[in-house]
Amino acid sequence: EAGVAQSPRYKIIEKRQSVAFWCNPISGHATLYWYQQILGQGPKLLIQFQNNGVVDDSQLPKDRFSAERLKGVDSTLKIQPAKLEDSAVYLCASSFLSLGQGVREQYFGPGTRLTVT
Amino acid sequence: AQKITQTQPGMFVQEKEAVTLDCTYDTSDPSYGLFWYKQPSSGEMIFLIYQGSYDQQNATEGRYSLNFQKARKSANLVISASQLGDSAMYFCAMKRDSSYKLIFGSGTRLLVRP
Repeated sequence: EAGVAQSPRYKIIEKRQSVAFWCNPISGHATLYWYQQILGQGPKLLIQFQNNGVVDDSQLPKDRFSAERLKGVDSTLKIQPAKLEDSAVYLCASSFLSLGQGVREQYFGPGTRLTVT
Repeated sequence: AQKITQTQPGMFVQEKEAVTLDCTYDTSDPSYGLFWYKQPSSGEMIFLIYQGSYDQQNATEGRYSLNFQKARKSANLVISASQLGDSAMYFCAMKRDSSYKLIFGSGTRLLVRP
């Protein structure tokens, strides 16, 4: 079974430029998540999709970040314009529906390491 | 609000010995789940083990076991017979059963010495 795919793996941009990340979840996973992981911290949820609808985007800086999941499969996360503090690893994850007790682990991709200079 | 605390930024363990990584959590929800993930230097997060708040038994998965003490709100990860490949960051995380959101702690870096 193929895992969560992300690209690019690394990206270096200057502040005020724009950047986009792509994620392809595991086949059949309806739920897709984007996390931001700043160096030395745990991942923080930015946005969560259920199929192609947004479930939670409460921690997404909407003035500069946007995300979409067309057709309920692939997703893109965009930053425009980037700031120095956006330097982080951006992780994509997917899972089956995950309410209630029982294991509903999220499967993570390898991440995109973004450096803003 | 939910919160996960991992107080050990770094830990050393000798190969083949057991190690315990601490995790405490804070929630007012009666129904929740606790997860441990491993993050090697390559960056991906690997799911290790899960404990539901209503589970009577402590979870075990191979060399991993979860020491769940509900009254103390702790969910420590025990790795038995450490291997060099266990060197990585370890994250404790919590999810309310009524939500999809996973809340992570700040992690513990484990280094296994040969």
